[in-house]
Amino acid sequence: AQRVTQPEKLLSVFKGAPVELKCNYSYSGSPELFWYVQYSRQRLQLLLRHISRESIKGFTADLNKGETSFHLKKPFAQEEDSAMYYCALRGQAGTALIFGKGTTLSVSS
Amino acid sequence: GAVVSQHPSWVICKSGTSVKIECRSLDFQATTMFWYRQFPKQSLMLMATSNEGSKATYEQGVEKDKFLINHASLTLSTLTVTSAHPEDSSFYICSARDMVSGNSPLHFGNGTRLTVT
Repeated sequence: AQRVTQPEKLLSVFKGAPVELKCNYSYSGSPELFWYVQYSRQRLQLLLRHISRESIKGFTADLNKGETSFHLKKPFAQEEDSAMYYCALRGQAGTALIFGKGTTLSVSS
Repeated sequence: GAVVSQHPSWVICKSGTSVKIECRSLDFQATTMFWYRQFPKQSLMLMATSNEGSKATYEQGVEKDKFLINHASLTLSTLTVTSAHPEDSSFYICSARDMVSGNSPLHFGNGTRLTVT
């Protein structure tokens, strides 16, 4: 079965502190992993996907197949990073995304 | 960038009535659109896959006669909640993928907040 687990409901950090949002997945094949972000009162936006291997807004995520993880990291959090972050998995191309329950990141000064 | 427009943003209806939600891809074509439902402080749950020109595929536990999906064109899918009840109150979100761009990511609408009184 496909499953995405985000163990933390809420992560509170101070501005400038490192951030790691955890994501583990369960899938028998080779999935595609995504991170989506939802700022207050806005729609879900794609933050990054593992096949792109790019850094967006200072965030990076590496797919670790051995640990079946796709943790989202940023070395220095900013207040504007405060949002809801969803990890998502897509099994076969063209199919729907399966989402984790989301983690609220709160960055305070 | 690709934009998905969802309408209405919010709707309040009486129990027993039906509500139609529209999902449009504004600058791309989508043979497939997905409908999700989100309860407060919970994740997005896939309800159904909407296929242009054919029947929708519903996830287990989703009543196809209650949540009618029509995907009449490459840019429009509609979700109709029939005979709505208070337990149908939720946040409904559609998403679409640009069919031209191959394995492109999903783009999401702004969601529709449905409240059934």
